[in-house]
Amino acid sequence: KNQVEQSPQSLIILEGKNCTLQCNYTVSPFSNLRWYKQDTGRGPVSLTIMTFSENTKSNGRYTATLDADTKQSSLHITASQLSDSASYICVVSRDTGGFKTIFGAGTRLFVKA
Amino acid sequence: EAQVTQNPRYLITVTGKKLTVTCSQNMNHEYMSWYRQDPGLGLRQIYYSMNVEVTDKGDVPEGYKVSRKEKRNFPLILESPSPNQTSLYFCASSHRDRGQTQYFGPGTRLLVL
Repeated sequence: KNQVEQSPQSLIILEGKNCTLQCNYTVSPFSNLRWYKQDTGRGPVSLTIMTFSENTKSNGRYTATLDADTKQSSLHITASQLSDSASYICVVSRDTGGFKTIFGAGTRLFVKA
Repeated sequence: EAQVTQNPRYLITVTGKKLTVTCSQNMNHEYMSWYRQDPGLGLRQIYYSMNVEVTDKGDVPEGYKVSRKEKRNFPLILESPSPNQTSLYFCASSHRDRGQTQYFGPGTRLLVL
């Protein structure tokens, strides 16, 4: 079954600290993996995208890694800011000729002052 | 400004009363999709469209209809809404290449009584 599982479900950190969010997937055949940030009440916004051959991608303070062999990805946030408080969603696309995407349930991050 | 718009943003209706949620994008994207988001679950794909007059079912199409008569518009139709369709709905669009980032609308919060 094609699934995307994220951990932890929620996380509280202090402003300025780093954190790492995890994503495990069983999606096949694999096309690409994206991380999205979703602020409360708003649509998701793309942070990074990685294909099979890429194992790391950065976007400012956000760095995503991908291990296609173990089917795991992580999103590392450096020097967190209050504005990083949001849900972070891992999304895997299937390479089936169509456009099927499977979304993880997300990790809810709270950054406290 | 490049954007995806949805209307209405909030809607309360009663069981069985047909409704339409509109989605429009101004980026000339070929691909458009509808998702629903429920607490504790990831976004689940309802329907998607690869281009004008081309639509296909996602993972949870039951109770929904779509049409794609124009490239910019992709309305979601609930012929006979039921309480289990109470949810937060997102429309998204992108260029057709599977590596392209999806741009999401602001969401429509629907309550079916």
